[in-house]
Amino acid sequence: EAGVAQSPRYKIIEKRQSVAFWCNPISGHATLYWYQQILGQGPKLLIQFQNNGVVDDSQLPKDRFSAERLKGVDSTLKIQPAKLEDSAVYLCASTPTGGEQFFGPGTRLTVL
Amino acid sequence: LAKTTQPISMDSYEGQEVNITCSHNNIATNDYITWYQQFPSQGPRFIIQGYKTKVTNEVASLFIPADRKSSTLSLPRVSLSDTAVYYCLVGGYSYGQNFVFGPGTRLSVLP
Repeated sequence: EAGVAQSPRYKIIEKRQSVAFWCNPISGHATLYWYQQILGQGPKLLIQFQNNGVVDDSQLPKDRFSAERLKGVDSTLKIQPAKLEDSAVYLCASTPTGGEQFFGPGTRLTVL
Repeated sequence: LAKTTQPISMDSYEGQEVNITCSHNNIATNDYITWYQQFPSQGPRFIIQGYKTKVTNEVASLFIPADRKSSTLSLPRVSLSDTAVYYCLVGGYSYGQNFVFGPGTRLSVLP
């Protein structure tokens, strides 16, 4: 069974630039999560999708972050414009019914 | 969402049993307890999940007392490859449920 795929694995941008991350969850998994993990901290939930609807985006900085999950499968997370404090690993996870979460390898973002 | 408290770090030696305790005083009746493991440059990986008493799988055991206000992850005979961060989460498993990751416990296994 293929795991959660994410791309790119690494991205370096300058502040005020925009960036997008892509996630392909495990086939058939209805729930998809995006997390932000700052070095030395646990993952912080940014947004949770159930199929293509948003369940929870209470911790998503909506002035600069946006996410979508078209057709209830792939998802993209965008940051525009990026700030220095956005430097982190962005993790995508999926689960079939809200149980065990399967995480992708993450995208490491560095904002200069 | 139930908040959890774990030790920030632990050291152990190869071959020893490691027990990591997590406190979750405000756990709800329908909450499960789940542990994840994270290696550097990787996403967290599910280890074990339980509701009460004891659960055991091929890699770990989870002990949950009757009041469920704490839980203990037990790793038998650790090796260097068990060096990782371990997260304790509590929450129910239903649509719309999400979980809060704390800072986790950084386990260092020494030779």
